[in-house]
Amino acid sequence: GAGVSQTPSNKVTEKGKYVELRCDPISGHTALYWYRQSLGQGPEFLIYFQGTGAADDSGLPNDRFFAVRPEGSVSTLKIQRTERGDSAVYLCASSLDGTGEQYFGPGTRLTVT
Amino acid sequence: QKEVEQNSGPLSVPEGAIASLNCTYSDRGSQSFFWYRQYSGKSPELIMFIYSNGDKEDGRFTAQLNKASQYVSLLIRDSQPSDSATYLCAVTYQGGSEKLVFGKGTKLTVNP
Repeated sequence: GAGVSQTPSNKVTEKGKYVELRCDPISGHTALYWYRQSLGQGPEFLIYFQGTGAADDSGLPNDRFFAVRPEGSVSTLKIQRTERGDSAVYLCASSLDGTGEQYFGPGTRLTVT
Repeated sequence: QKEVEQNSGPLSVPEGAIASLNCTYSDRGSQSFFWYRQYSGKSPELIMFIYSNGDKEDGRFTAQLNKASQYVSLLIRDSQPSDSATYLCAVTYQGGSEKLVFGKGTKLTVNP
């Protein structure tokens, strides 16, 4: 079946602009996670959704970052007033019910110039 | 601060050899343990998971977990050049919402 999909695959934006990154999880998976990965580092947790609600947003670095999952499927990560330090690969993962294995999408490479 | 430590490598082995990748974690409350493979420019791919002490085998891969010593390892038998990648160890913690805490990864090169 189809895996996790993410769009766009690449996003270049100017400092100060607003961006939205989209994630479509594996069909039937209720748990959805956002991570970001910088070069040479492992992925770093941002936020976890169980259904429509954010069950854990402790990894969001500041209030410029926000994520939604209004219908319990597709999720959008929103970044306001982007900074050069936000440049990274943003990864989305899903799991069946939040208690097991997580499967990652291909990621969105965000570059802030 | 919950930490997962891996030797960054690079680890270089000849084709056909056994590659051994190690990972230690700081919190005894750790519940689940995962190994992901990440090719350059690609996203992490789940290759093994282990929840109980002992060994778990899947094809050429064996995951080993020792909770008393707080380490988990991955053995790759009959290493192939296609196994060349960065291997990420990830851990979840009790009460931690199942979020994965990753190490920085070990870069493995299998030489033909």
